[in-house]
Amino acid sequence: DAGVTQSPTHLIKTRGQQVTLRCSPKSGHDTVSWYQQALGQGPQFIFQYYEEEERQRGNFPDRFSGHQFPNYSSELNVNALLLGDSALYLCASSFRNEQFFGPGTRLTVL
Amino acid sequence: GQQVMQIPQYQHVQEGEDFTTYCNSSTTLSNIQWYKQRPGGHPVFLIQLVKSGEVKKQKRLTFQFGEAKKNSSLHITATQTTDVGTYFCAGANQGGYGGSQGNLIFGKGTKLSVKP
Repeated sequence: DAGVTQSPTHLIKTRGQQVTLRCSPKSGHDTVSWYQQALGQGPQFIFQYYEEEERQRGNFPDRFSGHQFPNYSSELNVNALLLGDSALYLCASSFRNEQFFGPGTRLTVL
Repeated sequence: GQQVMQIPQYQHVQEGEDFTTYCNSSTTLSNIQWYKQRPGGHPVFLIQLVKSGEVKKQKRLTFQFGEAKKNSSLHITATQTTDVGTYFCAGANQGGYGGSQGNLIFGKGTKLSVKP
């Protein structure tokens, strides 16, 4: 049974570009959350998807958007990239309050 | 907004010494979770505490949740080199959807290094 998977592993973009990150939750998990982790910091909650709808959102601008598909997989989209968006983006799927994180996507914005 | 503070930021110990990290929230939490992140890795769930004053043990790890549900601690007895990593607490003050946890507020973590 695969755990949470994310793609791509690494990504380099330039300012102003748009990026899409992908996540497949652990089998049997129907809820996906996205976090941003800057270097040396704890993960920061971006938003959570359940039943294909955004259910909760952290303090992130509208440039950050997402989607959840019927198979529970999810995408995170970031528009108009800024240098400060460089970070590790973590996807987490949940079951009974135990949250499983994926390996993350390392995004570098130049 | 809600904040979760964690101290110390760094801790260097000799193998065999004990280690403790403390977590304090600005608001009352519904529950608190602890994670370990190895260098270059992703956070791995360790435990969740829900009840006021709750104490849970996992081998050499002891987790406590304060009576007021605003603070927590993780204590490791007789550290080993395999304990190296950053330990995060993450608090929640509302439930999520489905089987999930809601919005988790993470502390900045305590980075533990262990000298053999």
